[in-house]
Amino acid sequence: GIQVEQSPPDLILQEGANSTLRCNFSDSVNNLQWFHQNPWGQLINLFYIPSGTKQNGRLSATTVATERYSLLYISSSQTTDSGVYFCAVVDYKLSFGAGTTVTVRA
Amino acid sequence: KAGVTQTPRYLIKTRGQQVTLSCSPISGHRSVSWYQQTPGQGLQFLFEYFSETQRNKGNFPGRFSGRQFSNSRSEMNVSTLELGDSALYLCASSSASGASTDTQYFGPGTRLTVL
Repeated sequence: GIQVEQSPPDLILQEGANSTLRCNFSDSVNNLQWFHQNPWGQLINLFYIPSGTKQNGRLSATTVATERYSLLYISSSQTTDSGVYFCAVVDYKLSFGAGTTVTVRA
Repeated sequence: KAGVTQTPRYLIKTRGQQVTLSCSPISGHRSVSWYQQTPGQGLQFLFEYFSETQRNKGNFPGRFSGRQFSNSRSEMNVSTLELGDSALYLCASSSASGASTDTQYFGPGTRLTVL
């Protein structure tokens, strides 16, 4: 199956800082999604982005499918951005990375 | 539109018992997938149902089973529970076409504790 690697595993930020999370995948994909897992465990959709760049408020994502990676940018971080961020790619199922745990300190 | 719903939200069982979890997809969605999340193994795919048929299955023992009803609601069952089955079980639904390019939307999960 497709291997998905996320880095860094942990990220500690001061409120207002910017950050970049990376997702590498081992094969070409039809679908790549970024999720934020809230403290209660629910996976919240951030982006569906098999290629190109998208922005949603302070978050943006870029996927370079030919080079098999995706980046998630968090700008002007807030404490509510804390949590675990997952990328997931699809062959016949979602294959998840191990996640990046983001902690934003006030 | 209402999101994906899962019931119950929390369950405590003892070893050897069985458990049934329920998932109602977003209205109009015909594909339902189940995932298990544990601290050690992360998020792992259990199975996927589309139009009442199991279309794909992950690498889990036969104690894990599921089904889908004509209204697209899905249930998963775990028999002869083991301590290692303690996990967050997440259900996801995707749109009518069921293609791999469809966005998947997750429910809030059922947290199962096996004592």
